[in-house]
Amino acid sequence: EAGVAQSPRYKIIEKRQSVAFWCNPISGHATLYWYQQILGQGPKLLIQFQNNGVVDDSQLPKDRFSAERLKGVDSTLKIQPAKLEDSAVYLCASSLTDYTHYEQYFGPGTRLTVT
Amino acid sequence: LAKTTQPISMDSYEGQEVNITCSHNNIATNDYITWYQQFPSQGPRFIIQGYKTKVTNEVASLFIPADRKSSTLSLPRVSLSDTAVYYCPVYGNNRLAFGKGNQVVVIP
Repeated sequence: EAGVAQSPRYKIIEKRQSVAFWCNPISGHATLYWYQQILGQGPKLLIQFQNNGVVDDSQLPKDRFSAERLKGVDSTLKIQPAKLEDSAVYLCASSLTDYTHYEQYFGPGTRLTVT
Repeated sequence: LAKTTQPISMDSYEGQEVNITCSHNNIATNDYITWYQQFPSQGPRFIIQGYKTKVTNEVASLFIPADRKSSTLSLPRVSLSDTAVYYCPVYGNNRLAFGKGNQVVVIP
């Protein structure tokens, strides 16, 4: 089965510019997650969707970050305006059922560099 | 959320059994212990999960003592391709809480 797809794989922007990342989860997975992974750290959850509804966005910097999952499948994460400290890998993950949320399938990530 | 603590790095020789430890002192009653593996330029990959005692799958074994404040991931006969960062995020409150992970290097 196809894994979690993400694009682009790499992005370089200047501070104060905007950027968007796209994620296509594994078919049939109702839950979708966006994580931020700074170099040398573990992934940090930004937002979790169940179908097209937000379950947890408590760690999302809402003044500059936004995410949507309009049809309960694909999702986009946007940063506007970007700051230097946003340089990180942005990972998308999905999981199948309410009882297996601990088993998440991650995409390859998008490496963002803000200059 | 339970915070996890692991050694920063460890080396092992090819063909040996590797035991990777994790401390999760404030784990809650309903939390599950999971282990993930991450290679460079890839997202983490689920290895195994458990609640208590011992769990084994085709890849690894997970040992959890009765107090559940720590866990040990055991990889039998490691190869060079097992070189990766290993995380032990606790799953609770609908969230996986990752620590900094343990960089395991397998030496020929």
